[in-house]
Amino acid sequence: GAGVSQTPSNKVTEKGKYVELRCDPISGHTALYWYRQSLGQGPEFLIYFQGTGAADDSGLPNDRFFAVRPEGSVSTLKIQRTERGDSAVYLCASSIGLAAYNEQFFGPGTRLTVL
Amino acid sequence: KNEVEQSPQNLTAQEGEFITINCSYSVGISALHWLQQHPGGGIVSLFMLSSGKKKHGRLIATINIQEKHSSLHITASHPRDSAVYICAVLNYGGSQGNLIFGKGTKLSVKP
Repeated sequence: GAGVSQTPSNKVTEKGKYVELRCDPISGHTALYWYRQSLGQGPEFLIYFQGTGAADDSGLPNDRFFAVRPEGSVSTLKIQRTERGDSAVYLCASSIGLAAYNEQFFGPGTRLTVL
Repeated sequence: KNEVEQSPQNLTAQEGEFITINCSYSVGISALHWLQQHPGGGIVSLFMLSSGKKKHGRLIATINIQEKHSSLHITASHPRDSAVYICAVLNYGGSQGNLIFGKGTKLSVKP
């Protein structure tokens, strides 16, 4: 079956622009996670959805970052007024249930470059 | 100090060697994940464990909750095992989604 997909695979934008990154989780997975990975580092948590609601958004670095999952499936990560420091690979993952008991399945990531 | 520390950072091995990658953490956890990341970025979950030991093919993962330590072992290593191996923990009492990741161990297996 289809895995987690993310679009676009690469995004180049200019400083100050708005970007949207999309994640399509595995069908039936109720939990969805966004992570950010800078070069040479491990991923860092951004936000986690259980269904339609953001169960934990404590990893969002500031109010320029926002994510939605209106129908409990596809999620969009939105970044306003992008800065060069936002350049990273943005990873999405989904799991069938709670992370303590279920494997997370990762998408291929979106590489964001802010010029 | 990072909450999740991995060692070594880089590891080069000859094909066939037995490999051990270590992960130490400083928080109480409800689960620990071992992940594999290949060049190009794709991440695959290898193991999720909260106690004891799990085995899948040539891969073995162990965890010692009292010592806050986990190891990933690869037997009869092969060049296709070359990847970054990442340890991640789910903080006990934290949200169900907030994984804390180590920086990864870059493994290179030479033929």
